Amino acid sequence: SQTIHQWPATLVQPVGSPLSLECTVEGTSNPNLYWYRQAAGRGLQLLFYSVGIGQISSEVPQNLSASRPQDRQFILSSKKLLLSDSGFYLCAWRRGPGELFFGEGSRLTVL
Amino acid sequence: EDQVTQSPEALRLQEGESSSLNCSYTVSGLRGLFWYRQDPGKGPEFLFTLYSAGEEKEKERLKATLTKKESFLHITAPKPEDSATYLCAVPSFGGGGGADGLTFGKGTHLIIQP
Repeated sequence: SQTIHQWPATLVQPVGSPLSLECTVEGTSNPNLYWYRQAAGRGLQLLFYSVGIGQISSEVPQNLSASRPQDRQFILSSKKLLLSDSGFYLCAWRRGPGELFFGEGSRLTVL
Repeated sequence: EDQVTQSPEALRLQEGESSSLNCSYTVSGLRGLFWYRQDPGKGPEFLFTLYSAGEEKEKERLKATLTKKESFLHITAPKPEDSATYLCAVPSFGGGGGADGLTFGKGTHLIIQP
């Protein structure tokens, strides 16, 4: 069966600290992968997408970066967190046209 | 420029009280409109795909419809377990669309009281 795992589920980080969120997918190969952020009052915002290993496209300029070191692994990173990076981060893969399968999310609070 | 606007932002209904949620879109050449359900603290879950005006899809107490300017999610005789945030989405314009990314509305937070 197809599953998607995200970790950590929750984290609290000080401003200026680094960040690494990991997402892995099982039960599929060469998936299109996405990172979304959901902030209060802003809805879901597409941050990055990847169509293959080492291929990353950024949708908005920001303090974050993404990498795809393996076919089913997608990582979201930051060298120095800002307060505005707080939010609920969701990884997803494209299961079909318009059909994204989301992970459980990682809730980040930057203090 | 918002491509997808949902209304109302929040809706509180009594169990069994039917209603509709609205999703209006401004994209031209629509390549699909999609509905999702999101429970608190979880990722969105796919519900429906609509491609052309007049199309309808149903799942249990939910029915999604599409016109040339908007989509409705009708909920008939809702139960407390239908409480969730309902999101609509369209294919992203620009780079994200090339990889079938989606642009989401802000959602309607639906509460069904027993």
